[in-house]
Amino acid sequence: SQKIEQNSEALNIQEGKTATLTCNYTNYSPAYLQWYRQDPGRGPVFLLLIRENEKEKRKERLKVTFDTTLKQSLFHITASQPADSATYLCALPFSGSARQLTFGSGTQLTVLP
Amino acid sequence: DAGITQSPRHKVTETGTPVTLRCHQTENHRYMYWYRQDPGHGLRLIHYSYGVKDTDKGEVSDGYSVSRSKTEDFLLTLESATSSQTSVYFCAIRGIAGESEQYFGPGTRLTVT
Repeated sequence: SQKIEQNSEALNIQEGKTATLTCNYTNYSPAYLQWYRQDPGRGPVFLLLIRENEKEKRKERLKVTFDTTLKQSLFHITASQPADSATYLCALPFSGSARQLTFGSGTQLTVLP
Repeated sequence: DAGITQSPRHKVTETGTPVTLRCHQTENHRYMYWYRQDPGHGLRLIHYSYGVKDTDKGEVSDGYSVSRSKTEDFLLTLESATSSQTSVYFCAIRGIAGESEQYFGPGTRLTVT
């Protein structure tokens, strides 16, 4: 069955640095991958989608890469700010049904002032 | 929260009692989803609906049932609540114009004592 792993449960970085979060997957070749942000006590919020034929996608200070050979996506936040502190989730379409998403367990990012 | 409301927002109930959670959307989306989120497990799909009276099981459907008699409402029922069903429950809708991204409600925190 497909499996998603996010590199670590928690990541602390200094304000102004670039945060890099990793999402690895196995037993699947998804057509796209999504990233979400979740703040404490709230539902996840969609950030970005990257397709299998796109190597990189950017949105403001966010950059996502998608390496289908390595089966990995990297999520970068440049010039990080304390307001970027949140849990970030990656999601893939479920291998058995394109109607569903499978989510990773998330990486909790803390940006220290 | 993309026009999605969930009720109740918090509930404490006793083992063995039935519980119904409601998700309401105002934007006529076809797809609606129920997830639970637990520490260490991330978001896991319980059930989803792809239209009125059309539903399907997700990864963790045992002990749960759903109904969708109107486009705007998706109900999740725990027929006989157990302590293992203590969790935060999120409803989500699938975007219409986008690329399968999902938009989440604010969540319901359920405690089964």
